[in-house]
Order: sequence, then C-alpha cells, then structure tokens
Amino acid sequence: GAVVSQHPSWVICKSGTSVKIECRSLDFQATTMFWYRQFPKQSLMLMATSNEGSKATYEQGVEKDKFLINHASLTLSTLTVTSAHPEDSSFYICSALVPGGVSPLHFGNGTRLTVT
Amino acid sequence: SQQGEEDPQALSIQEGENATMNCSYKTSINNLQWYRQNSGRGLVHLILIRSNEREKHSGRLRVTLDTSKKSSSLLITASRAADTASYFCANAGGTSYGKLTFGQGTILTVHP
Repeated sequence: GAVVSQHPSWVICKSGTSVKIECRSLDFQATTMFWYRQFPKQSLMLMATSNEGSKATYEQGVEKDKFLINHASLTLSTLTVTSAHPEDSSFYICSALVPGGVSPLHFGNGTRLTVT
Repeated sequence: SQQGEEDPQALSIQEGENATMNCSYKTSINNLQWYRQNSGRGLVHLILIRSNEREKHSGRLRVTLDTSKKSSSLLITASRAADTASYFCANAGGTSYGKLTFGQGTILTVHP
C-alpha cells in the first residue's frame, strides 16, 4: 500500500514554456505532500510543502511565483514550473505523508525535466 | 535548510563484502531515516530509527544512531550487485510530520 504516482516521468520543453508535474496518492489520502528537487549526483532539496486546501509553504530561496503548487484534492498535488529556463532542468520528486502517520514518506518515481 | 554530511561519498566493494555508510546531522531529530535511490528513480524507504533508539535491524541492514555525536551509520551485510544505488540519510526535525532534511548521499557500487 501507500503508493505515490508521479507523472510525467520525463519531459522536455522549450525555454519560456510552462510544465505541470502531477503527484497522486493512489491508495490513501494525503493532506500533506512535499516537493523536492535534485541536481545530478546531489542530494534532495526540499522546495515546498503542499497542503490540501491551503497555500503551499515554500522553503527559503524558492520562488513561489515560478514554482506554482496546487493541492486541490486529497490525492493530487501539482507543481507547475512557469516560464521555464535551462537552469530549471532538474529531477523533481514528490512525496506524500500518510495521514496520522509518522514519516517515512512515500515517494513518487520523479520527473526528469529538461529545458532546451 | 541545512544538509547533513555523509561519508564516504562513493563506495566500491565486491559482492559479499559489507558496506558501511555514515551520516552526520546538525539539528535535533525526532527520527532518522535511510533511503535508497536507484539511478534516475524515486526514493525507497529502508529503515527508520527513532531518537530514543540506538540500533535497529532489518534483514541485511543494520542502523545505529548516536544522538550525542549527531551521527548514524548504515551497514549492509553480504552485499549484492543489486544493492548498487545511492543511499541517503534523512532526518525529521523536531516534528514527525514528514519534513525531511537529506544528507548528501553515498553512491554504492557492488561489483559481481
């Protein structure tokens, strides 16, 4: 149980366009989801905490207008990279917390974004 | 957020050998977790050790935690080629609500 699905697994887009990444909890309801970013051979950096029905909480240094997060339902959070630039190319991973549960988190398989 | 340190950054061993990875962290923790990541994939949770625990086992995995030194270690015994992956420690700070700070990771290569 506790499966998190992330889509797409990879995407290539042109500079200036926007890309939406979806994170779904398939067999549980997730009031809280997290979005991470990972550069090659580096660790995961938390970008923001996505809360169902309210605004996301962004980590210091993360531009909220560039990385739009919407958590409109208990099973879906989306991350939209707006006006993408090549430096936004990265691996984005979401995770979800089972309600009432102590971490560990359940992670999606990630999305490889390449901006050309 | 601050990142923990892991060492070694890369570890190359032969099948059957044991692999030990270390992790240090800077803040107080509720628990510390270890995750595995195959290349280009998401993370898989391996084991969680709470701040009041000192050692925990799961199959071929053994995790220790020393809160006085703010460090943890992951031991994989009798390694297999399929264990080749990146391993990350992650600490959940003062709460248990899933906000994790990840270490830099250790890239483990197990040669058949």
